[in-house]
Amino acid sequence: GQNIDQPTEMTATEGAIVQINCTYQTSGFNGLFWYQQHAGEAPTFLSYNVLDGLEEKGRFSSFLSRSKGYSYLLLKELQMKDSASYLCAVMRWDSGYALNFGKGTSLLVTP
Amino acid sequence: EAGVTQFPSHSVIEKGQTVTLRCDPISGHDNLYWYRRVMGKEIKFLLHFVKESKQDESGMPNNRFLAERTGGTYSTLKVQPAELEDSGVYFCASSQEDRGDDGELFFGEGSRLTVL
Repeated sequence: GQNIDQPTEMTATEGAIVQINCTYQTSGFNGLFWYQQHAGEAPTFLSYNVLDGLEEKGRFSSFLSRSKGYSYLLLKELQMKDSASYLCAVMRWDSGYALNFGKGTSLLVTP
Repeated sequence: EAGVTQFPSHSVIEKGQTVTLRCDPISGHDNLYWYRRVMGKEIKFLLHFVKESKQDESGMPNNRFLAERTGGTYSTLKVQPAELEDSGVYFCASSQEDRGDDGELFFGEGSRLTVL
């Protein structure tokens, strides 16, 4: 089985930095994904980590520690448009490479 | 290039009726996935097609759900008969060939199903 935990809601100020954490317990781990989803829209891919360490992509960075079952998504220079739900998802090689999602973190960016 | 498209965007039906959801993946994507999000819950995997073959259908809730992908292009997900607990948003996603180390799934906007 698998268990993915992330905070339900977070609030941050425009221009600030926010870190969204995700912890997981799973068999057959084959990578961790972060997706962004605005209300009523499709989830869009942000990042993929399979090895330990930090992956940086513009204002967004994602970190993974496989030994700790832990990841975070770091958003810098927050903009109002970053208000969205952020989904942590784990891919398992023993389940046909399907994604197993957490419930998502709803981020509100305030002026 | 068109993204993953889903139809209808919203369907409202009565318990016991039948609904068919359609997904058109990105052209050339062999992998097609169906996911579902019930209100208040996480997005959950339903099944995975590679071309026209069902690779993994371990997430299908029960035999009221039937997914097809004839010809390996678009896919349909039929719910018959629909029950109240089937209400939710059904997402389709696609990706190129063999997943391997390639991480990205492209999602559609989802089909919202409301069963009354």
